[in-house]
Amino acid sequence: DAGVTQSPTHLIKTRGQQVTLRCSPKSGHDTVSWYQQALGQGPQFIFQYYEEEERQRGNFPDRFSGHQFPNYSSELNVNALLLGDSALYLCASSGARGEEKLFFGSGTQLSVL
Amino acid sequence: AQSVTQPDIHITVSEGASLELRCNYSYGATPYLFWYVQSPGQGLQLLLKYFSGDTLVQGIKGFEAEFKRSQSSFNLRKPSVHWSDAAEYFCAVGAESGGSNYKLTFGKGTLLTVNP
Repeated sequence: DAGVTQSPTHLIKTRGQQVTLRCSPKSGHDTVSWYQQALGQGPQFIFQYYEEEERQRGNFPDRFSGHQFPNYSSELNVNALLLGDSALYLCASSGARGEEKLFFGSGTQLSVL
Repeated sequence: AQSVTQPDIHITVSEGASLELRCNYSYGATPYLFWYVQSPGQGLQLLLKYFSGDTLVQGIKGFEAEFKRSQSSFNLRKPSVHWSDAAEYFCAVGAESGGSNYKLTFGKGTLLTVNP
């Protein structure tokens, strides 16, 4: 049983570009959350998707957007990349009925030059 | 708004010694509390969680944590550290979103080094 899978594992972009990160949740999970982990920091909540809708959002600008597909997989899009967007982006999945555990993927390391 | 403070950025212990990692939280209601571990280049693995009930929580890999409401703390402990425990440890508090699922607020982490 595959856990949470994220792609790509590493990505290098330049300032001003756009990027799309992908996440497939653990089998049986229908809720996907995205977190940003800057170097030396704890993860910060970006947003959460359930039933193809954004259910809750953290303190991130509109340049960060997402999408959830009918198969529960999700994308994170970041427009107009800034140097400060360089970070590890983590995807976490869980069941809809308040499952008491988030399963995290290994993340996508984004470097903005 | 909820917040988590991990006062120790870096802790070094000898293999076989006991360990305590500190965590203080701020949250208006009864918190959901978690400890995660992260090895280099890896995602987060849940060690243990507290939702309600017994304030002493047992987790995986021999870890335990105690919830103390009066001190707003949720410290992680292990009686005897193994070299494989070297990693970064994150404390987190969870808030429900829409009465079902929830989001986590993490501390900045404590890096654990284990000396042979």
